[in-house]
Amino acid sequence: DIQMTQSPSSLSASVGDRVTITCRASQGISNYLAWFQQKPGKAPKSLIYGASGLQSGVPSKFSGSGSGTDFTLTINSLQSEDFATYYCQQYYSYPLTFGGGTKVEIK
Amino acid sequence: EVQLVESGGVLVTPGGSLTLSCTASGFTFTDAWMTWVRQAPGKGLEWVGRIKSKNVGGTSDHAEPVKGRFTISRDDSKNTLYLQMNSLKTEDTAVYYCTVGLRSDYWGQGTLVTVSS
Repeated sequence: DIQMTQSPSSLSASVGDRVTITCRASQGISNYLAWFQQKPGKAPKSLIYGASGLQSGVPSKFSGSGSGTDFTLTINSLQSEDFATYYCQQYYSYPLTFGGGTKVEIK
Repeated sequence: EVQLVESGGVLVTPGGSLTLSCTASGFTFTDAWMTWVRQAPGKGLEWVGRIKSKNVGGTSDHAEPVKGRFTISRDDSKNTLYLQMNSLKTEDTAVYYCTVGLRSDYWGQGTLVTVSS
C-alpha cells in the first residue's frame, strides 16, 4: 500500500496568512493526487485533482503543485471560512489512501 | 447540480448486517465510477472501495479491512449505489460517504453506522 504522509498535522495561522501543507507519498504516484477540505460535522469537499487542477467553483486562492512523491497545497490570504482540516489522497493505485490530515486553526 | 443522498445508517450489534444506499442525481450515473469512503469518530478518512461503470465491466474493489465482508453494488435503473455490510465489527463504526469517481469529486452528506452491543 502507498503511505501518504501529511505535514504538519496541525498549524495555527492568522487571517490573511499564506499557508502551505505538504503531502509525501511512499512511492511515486505521478500526479494522481487530490486535496480535500473538511469542516467540523460536514462532508469533505474536493479542492484539487491531478495535483494541480482546481475543482469547479473552488476559489483560485487554493493551489496545488508537485509530482512523483512530493506535493503541496497552498492557501493564499487565509480567511475565516478556510479554517478546516485538509486531506490529501492518492488515486494512483489500490487501495486508495489518504493522508492523516492537517488541521488549520486560528491563531 | 450533483446530489448524493446516503441512507440506511443505524445502530447494529456486532456480527450483524446492514445495507447502505446512496441515491444520485445531477449527473449521468450510468457512466460514473462510484466510491465509498468512511470516517470513524474523530479520525481521518478511509477508502472502503469502488465500483466501475457497467460499460467497463462494473467490477468492484474493496479495501483489505472489509474484503469478504462488504460488497459494493449498483442499480443504474434507480441511480442508486449500495454497500452491503456483513459480519460487522465495532471498528466499522463510522460515517459512510458515497462519492463520485475514483478521485471523489463530489460527496454525499454521509450516514452514521454504529456497531455496538
